[in-house]
Amino acid sequence: DGGITQSPKYLFRKEGQNVTLSCEQNLNHDAMYWYRQDPGQGLRLIYYSQIVNDFQKGDIAEGYSVSREKKESFPLTVTSAQKNPTAFYLCASSIDILQFSNQPQHFGDGTRLSIL
Amino acid sequence: AQKVTQAQTEISVVEKEDVTLDCVYETRDTTYYLFWYKQPPSGELVFLIRRNSFDEQNEISGRYSWNFQKSTSSFNFTITASQVVDSAVYFCALIGGATNKLIFGTGTLLAVQP
Repeated sequence: DGGITQSPKYLFRKEGQNVTLSCEQNLNHDAMYWYRQDPGQGLRLIYYSQIVNDFQKGDIAEGYSVSREKKESFPLTVTSAQKNPTAFYLCASSIDILQFSNQPQHFGDGTRLSIL
Repeated sequence: AQKVTQAQTEISVVEKEDVTLDCVYETRDTTYYLFWYKQPPSGELVFLIRRNSFDEQNEISGRYSWNFQKSTSSFNFTITASQVVDSAVYFCALIGGATNKLIFGTGTLLAVQP
């Protein structure tokens, strides 16, 4: 079945440690996104990528980094510079970066990151 | 600036009641799209509907219906005869103009009691 796979489902980070969240899609979508969800704040865009080897900062990119070496994969690294990383992270993809197409963004199941 | 407001933080109803989730948006773009997503306790966001700014027809899909009114910048979502499985957080979202960003509201937690 086509879809978006995020792993792991739960992740714990020690102080000063970088961690990487995986996002893989087999929908053949060009565009991929990372969102952060905090209670009562909805979803906020961290980074997005419209094509391989290209990505753009979203609204809250500080303390995060991404790469897009393959169309299927868009990993997110939460660096030690991100002082409040505890949140639920959602990866999404869409056919292209423009939302003026027939397909909306499709989301993965999310990764819950906590600090030890 | 673009903004989506979901003023209802939490709603609790008893099964079989009808419930309406409110969504008010702000945008200066003449072309824009509105979305509703459902987030069950498992965490993934499930797409429910997409509506463009030129189509003000209301839509019904089973027990779900959507009322889009440009005059009041609202895109409300009604669930008829609610069921326990409808319990989730519901998000309204907007994208418009040349932006590539989907702007989400803060969500409404719907709890349907048996």
